[in-house]
Amino acid sequence: AQSVTQLGSHVSVSEGALVLLRCNYSSSVPPYLFWYVQYPNQGLQLLLKYTTGATLVKGINGFEAEFKKSETSFHLTKPSAHMSDAAEYFCAVTGGTGRRALTFGSGTRLQVQP
Amino acid sequence: NAGVTQTPKFQVLKTGQSMTLQCAQDMNHNSMYWYRQDPGMGLRLIYYSASEGTTDKGEVPNGYNVSRLNKREFSLRLESAAPSQTSVYFCASSVQGSSYNSPLHFGNGTRLTVT
Repeated sequence: AQSVTQLGSHVSVSEGALVLLRCNYSSSVPPYLFWYVQYPNQGLQLLLKYTTGATLVKGINGFEAEFKKSETSFHLTKPSAHMSDAAEYFCAVTGGTGRRALTFGSGTRLQVQP
Repeated sequence: NAGVTQTPKFQVLKTGQSMTLQCAQDMNHNSMYWYRQDPGMGLRLIYYSASEGTTDKGEVPNGYNVSRLNKREFSLRLESAAPSQTSVYFCASSVQGSSYNSPLHFGNGTRLTVT
């Protein structure tokens, strides 16, 4: 079984401030972890993914995430928010046999204030 | 470079009506998926097709049927629509099943309202 919990359905930051979106996962097997972004009236786009190897993963648009097995976390960060980062962000997990599709978190809507 | 194409973009149905949502991908992907998105609930898997000729139920399959018509196309059918099926529906595809770490490519969604 696998699940994802995203803490905070809405996060608001000022332009230029640090962005931190939290994700904790549960998986009975080593997980593959993903962050997706959704802009208004669009489908989801992949930001970054962790499979194996280096635990700090860099993605598009300056985002990165760190896999911490001991904390079962995969938080998404960006050092300096830009207005164009305003969107909804989804963490997702998959892994192991018998479960061949992603399980998504409930999403976090990021607002960026000027 | 279309990627994943969904039709229609919007649809309004009355309770009890039926309809089929169409999805096609031009990336030669093996796996295709149908998700529904509801506020505060993220995306929930309805059905998926790991490869041409196979389909499997996801988390919320009740009230839906699917057809993997060929490698490119994966349709979702509502036989008797209910207000609880009001949602945004997303089709996605991946090279292989996502447990093999291949990311999903999404269409732009179909907004369905059932009155």
